[in-house]
Amino acid sequence: ETGVTQTPRHLVMGMTNKKSLKCEQHLGHNAMYWYKQSAKKPLELMFVYSLEERVENNSVPSRFSPECPNSSHLFLHLHTLQPEDSALYLCASSQGERGYTFGSGTRLTVV
Amino acid sequence: GEDVEQSLFLSVREGDSSVINCTYTDSSSTYLYWYKQEPGAGLQLLTYIFSNMDMKQDQRLTVLLNKKDKHLSLRIADTQTGDSAIYFCALHGSSNTGKLIFGQGTTLQVKP
Repeated sequence: ETGVTQTPRHLVMGMTNKKSLKCEQHLGHNAMYWYKQSAKKPLELMFVYSLEERVENNSVPSRFSPECPNSSHLFLHLHTLQPEDSALYLCASSQGERGYTFGSGTRLTVV
Repeated sequence: GEDVEQSLFLSVREGDSSVINCTYTDSSSTYLYWYKQEPGAGLQLLTYIFSNMDMKQDQRLTVLLNKKDKHLSLRIADTQTGDSAIYFCALHGSSNTGKLIFGQGTTLQVKP
């Protein structure tokens, strides 16, 4: 366990489904991140939350909707996804310039 | 914008040393990091170096930093099959947003 917990570990969903990914940290970090990692592609930063406020949204399609209800929790709500959205979704948290702590990721498959 | 480059693949034999290289265009980073990602897992912080150092040794790992050339490297001595993974260098860019910029990752394959 790294201190950042992601659930579920694996998710298979149809293109018409709605699901949510959850990330939780109790490290006292004040920033949280969602990354997408596809096979043979660089890490893609999707969203950044700092002090529960979204500070970055990197041209992510609206079918991905983040939510940060408090400094310990981060969600990624998914709806009407496409097969190309299948990837490993990684959550991370940080405090200042001390590096990120990553969760183990959610392996998402869209069928 | 800031750019961090790594070679994509490195193959070594068990027992050999591995050297993974990283170059960057600009950085205000106080720390520069190496992360390891094993198959099916998240990224794990492996080691880091303070920006006013040029070398840090941690057991089998040696990190070298050449700020003049903007070059960071990770040397793994006596590489084992368990070292097979993807290795990412990461640093904060010059914009000082607190955001880390990652390289593309180097896949290290260790052959028995």
